[in-house]
Amino acid sequence: DTAVSQTPKYLVTQMGNDKSIKCEQNLGHDTMYWYKQDSKKFLKIMFSYNNKELIINETVPNRFSPKSPDKAHLNLHINSLELGDSAVYFCASNLQGINEQFFGPGTRLTVL
Amino acid sequence: SQQGEEDPQALSIQEGENATMNCSYKTSINNLQWYRQNSGRGLVHLILIRSNEREKHSGRLRVTLDTSKKSSSLLITASRAADTASYFCGLYGGSQGNLIFGKGTKLSVKP
Repeated sequence: DTAVSQTPKYLVTQMGNDKSIKCEQNLGHDTMYWYKQDSKKFLKIMFSYNNKELIINETVPNRFSPKSPDKAHLNLHINSLELGDSAVYFCASNLQGINEQFFGPGTRLTVL
Repeated sequence: SQQGEEDPQALSIQEGENATMNCSYKTSINNLQWYRQNSGRGLVHLILIRSNEREKHSGRLRVTLDTSKKSSSLLITASRAADTASYFCGLYGGSQGNLIFGKGTKLSVKP
């Protein structure tokens, strides 16, 4: 299937741990994004990469570090997890200049 | 801020009725996009309207854009239970390529 996929779908962890979320798209897109959706459903951009280069880095704690090994992958590593990091994280992708974005299914992160 | 504001926050209607959701914003945009999010899923793109367009149709969807009032509306005609979802407007402002979303309208269509 052509799609944006994320792993894991659910992630439950303790405060202070380090975790990673992976994202892959097989749509041939050159731009990938990470969004955070909080409990009130507010969806906020975190990072954007174009051709493996960081384009957007919104006001996100530096505990969050995205990594793009190639155009098809954008992973998100989070150090020293905090309770407030609990949210659903969505990966998305598109072709630069084509504004429609394709979203992954989301990763629900719960920090205990 | 550039964030879109959807209105109403929640809407409950009967199957067959029309559903109208609105989005207002504060600064200039290049285009405005509507997305649907089913419970527990990612967003799905529905329709894009450019700043020089006033109205677009796609199946049962009709989107209008009034740049003078900085507002857009999404009309779903003859709603179905399967239309039950949250609907978000995404604002695209230009060079950086990211979308700015609001908190969405939660639509419930009762059979």
